[in-house]
Amino acid sequence: EPEVTQTPSHQVTQMGQEVILRCVPISNHLYFYWYRQILGQKVEFLVSFYNNEISEKSEIFDDQFSVERPDGSNFTLKIRSTKLEDSAMYFCATRTSGRRDTDTQYFGPGTRLTVL
Amino acid sequence: DQQVKQNSPSLSVQEGRISILNCDYTNSMFDYFLWYKKYPAEGPTFLISISSIKDKNEDGRFTVFLNKSAKHLSLHIVPSQPGDSAVYFCAAGYGNKLVFGAGTILRVKS
Repeated sequence: EPEVTQTPSHQVTQMGQEVILRCVPISNHLYFYWYRQILGQKVEFLVSFYNNEISEKSEIFDDQFSVERPDGSNFTLKIRSTKLEDSAMYFCATRTSGRRDTDTQYFGPGTRLTVL
Repeated sequence: DQQVKQNSPSLSVQEGRISILNCDYTNSMFDYFLWYKKYPAEGPTFLISISSIKDKNEDGRFTVFLNKSAKHLSLHIVPSQPGDSAVYFCAAGYGNKLVFGAGTILRVKS
């Protein structure tokens, strides 16, 4: 069964450093998402991406964050200058271009980001 | 953000019995709802969804019920199996995003 993959599985970085989290979507999927889950808290929406542009973003997704699909396959989340509070599990999700109320978002296994 | 609430942090059920997980929401704009299951160190795995125009959707052992007037949905698992033990998240969607509840830990005892 096709699945969403994410790399790395765990990233440790120093505060103020840039990190790039990578996701390989399921091949025929056209909508891409990033979510995060801070330890002990809910899964929170960050951003959705379609047709090479952001379609929706949350208040969490400030200027420190950016997304792109640089090579038509990987979907990346960049955090320019990491803060301690960015430590979380980051999940990529993807879906086909079908109706959003019947189409499922499939999640990757997540990247655990630890900011020291 | 309390738009989606799962008020039971945990539930324990005997194998073979029914598990009922509940979820309440406040935003009338939500037009589709999903249940995900999550194991530690893994991403959420889709279980079942329901559109706001329906009140029931069934898939094998899993049934989701939606009561729009009460802004309430529930997931029924019958019969429950030990492998169902996991964290279950309710999620509600509008626009292009999902809003998640805090999750309910289900333990199925054999």
